[in-house]
Amino acid sequence: NAGVTQTPKFQVLKTGQSMTLQCAQDMNHEYMSWYRQDPGMGLRLIHYSVGAGITDQGEVPNGYNVSRSTTEDFPLRLLSAAPSQTSVYFCASSQGTAPGANVLTFGAGSRLTVL
Amino acid sequence: RKEVEQDPGPFNVPEGATVAFNCTYSNSASQSFFWYRQDCRKEPKLLMSVYSSGNEDGRFTAQLNRASQYISLLIRDSKLSDSATYLCAVNSKNSGYSTLTFGKGTMLLVSP
Repeated sequence: NAGVTQTPKFQVLKTGQSMTLQCAQDMNHEYMSWYRQDPGMGLRLIHYSVGAGITDQGEVPNGYNVSRSTTEDFPLRLLSAAPSQTSVYFCASSQGTAPGANVLTFGAGSRLTVL
Repeated sequence: RKEVEQDPGPFNVPEGATVAFNCTYSNSASQSFFWYRQDCRKEPKLLMSVYSSGNEDGRFTAQLNRASQYISLLIRDSKLSDSATYLCAVNSKNSGYSTLTFGKGTMLLVSP
């Protein structure tokens, strides 16, 4: 089992460029989510999905889009990158959201720098 | 009051010491509590879930105090390899769905 796989691991963008961070899990998890982690700010939830076709916003959704067309994949799109989006992005998944099923497994992270 | 708060540390302790971290949460309806460990430039990994009755895993003991709304993590006989950042996570409702909110983490440095 690969668990949660994120690509790319590193990316440098120029302001205004767009890109997609990929996330795939092979654990048949219903719940998937994206967090960003910044120094002094901790992990902040960007978007999440409770199943294919269902997505919702987290704490810091502005500037990001998501979709969930399959159970396995949950890509995060930056529409027009800004320096404020320089961060480490983590994808995480769990069986569900109920107590006992909501233990998150994280991907290895994607480090994004926006110049 | 922020949803989930932790003392950022760093906590500097010698090998063999006992160290305790606390994490306070604001949502009294929260039902799920976790401690994660994060090594430098790595992803968070589950250390242990926290149950109402308290639970122990080797040198690690987690406690939940619902009345005062905090969870704690006790590490006994600290090892050099325990050096990491410890994140607490608590569930909260978000547009009808439960999501995990993380504290900013407490850094632990264990020295020889």
